[in-house]
Amino acid sequence: ETGVTQTPRHLVMGMTNKKSLKCEQHLGHNAMYWYKQSAKKPLELMFVYSLEERVENNSVPSRFSPECPNSSHLFLHLHTLQPEDSALYLCASSRRAGRGEKLFFGSGTQLSVL
Amino acid sequence: AQTVTQSQPEMSVQEAETVTLSCTYDTSESDYYLFWYKQPPSRQMILVIRQEAYKQQNATENRFSVNFQKAAKSFSLKISDSQLGDAAMYFCAYSRSNFGNEKLTFGTGTRLTIIP
Repeated sequence: ETGVTQTPRHLVMGMTNKKSLKCEQHLGHNAMYWYKQSAKKPLELMFVYSLEERVENNSVPSRFSPECPNSSHLFLHLHTLQPEDSALYLCASSRRAGRGEKLFFGSGTQLSVL
Repeated sequence: AQTVTQSQPEMSVQEAETVTLSCTYDTSESDYYLFWYKQPPSRQMILVIRQEAYKQQNATENRFSVNFQKAAKSFSLKISDSQLGDAAMYFCAYSRSNFGNEKLTFGTGTRLTIIP
């Protein structure tokens, strides 16, 4: 099921670079999420936005900076990352950030930090 | 803190056969939601099935069904008539009912291989 688009699909960056991940949803949803997926670890929720306001920030390092300019777009700005930040970054959306809501995911950005 | 455990890192099944993926969770809550998500090689996670804890009846979606054992805190996924397109990572997830998806906890996943 399409509806959540993430770009770029792959990203390689040095530790001193600044880059941004982009997520766009065409489903009319009001909540958007960033997840980090590392090998053999559970998905880690990074940020939640509901109606363009951040409602959750799970102690994510400040080198990750989210931005939600409207309910359809979500960005993750990256700067001075560490090699351990290499992972698959997934964006998701739901109708609202409510109980039991179905999440719709994008295909992720595979990030490698050198 | 709630935890979700998937004890089978990898499973395989012959095409057209039935396979069961296990999931256990730890919670002191009485009302919550449980989910199974599928992540194929395309990397896009898709909801397979959802169960509300207060509902006694096991959820079913076509070839996918769950065995929800609330007292045992077990939530297994049964895939009947396995197809090649079922090959994927499967993630079990839990959320408390009085919280939104900001409290969704995932397991580490089970990689399912379908043998032709």
